[in-house]
Amino acid sequence: QSVLTQPASVSGSPGQSITVSCTGTSSDVGGYNYVSWYQQHPGKAPKLMIYDVSDRPSGVSNRFSGSKSGNTASLTISGLQAEDEADYYCSSYTTSSTWVFGGGTKLTVL
Amino acid sequence: QVQLVESGGGVVQPGRSLRLSCAASGFTFSSDGMHWVRQAPGKGLEWVALISNSGSYTLHADSVKGRFAFSRDNSRNMAYLQMNSLRVEDTAVYYCAKDKGGHWALDYWGQGTLVTVSS
Repeated sequence: QSVLTQPASVSGSPGQSITVSCTGTSSDVGGYNYVSWYQQHPGKAPKLMIYDVSDRPSGVSNRFSGSKSGNTASLTISGLQAEDEADYYCSSYTTSSTWVFGGGTKLTVL
Repeated sequence: QVQLVESGGGVVQPGRSLRLSCAASGFTFSSDGMHWVRQAPGKGLEWVALISNSGSYTLHADSVKGRFAFSRDNSRNMAYLQMNSLRVEDTAVYYCAKDKGGHWALDYWGQGTLVTVSS
């Protein structure tokens, strides 16, 4: 299974906005509106932040938003806070009836 | 509240077997599919498999085809991952996660259990 392509790292200052990209193919990201994003703090389990490209689960801050254009999905975090520092993973359902994750992006809040 | 607790991890020699368990509570277990996802030390997430809510079918990654088997016992709110012919590259933290029905996402995750394959 292919791995979705994410930048290894992004950074931003408190209060700023950052965007994490996630590039796949027409067999995954581009083929379905089933892109999800997960936040993982060191030593902790992943947490669902965005599903169906842009929907937020109950309890997730509206500072987190998602979008998609073609084969690339994006996660935007606005009003960066120290607690946002974590690894972020995108995921997509695929035409092979499997799920695929991105390689992960480490967010550093400066 | 939804709770998922994995158990059964440990150190095992290459070629041997190990069974992981996932105990679920706080939701109607028989209504939702269950995923297994693994994370090698210092690496990213890798989807392993989904077992349907009834257990009637599974979907899985090519990397575990023919070696791993997946089952569930809805009467006990338990999911299982039977790992056979283990390889060094199967070393990882294994997470079970609840499927967010109809949305192809994983909405609740356990804390994970570490499997180390080493001679």
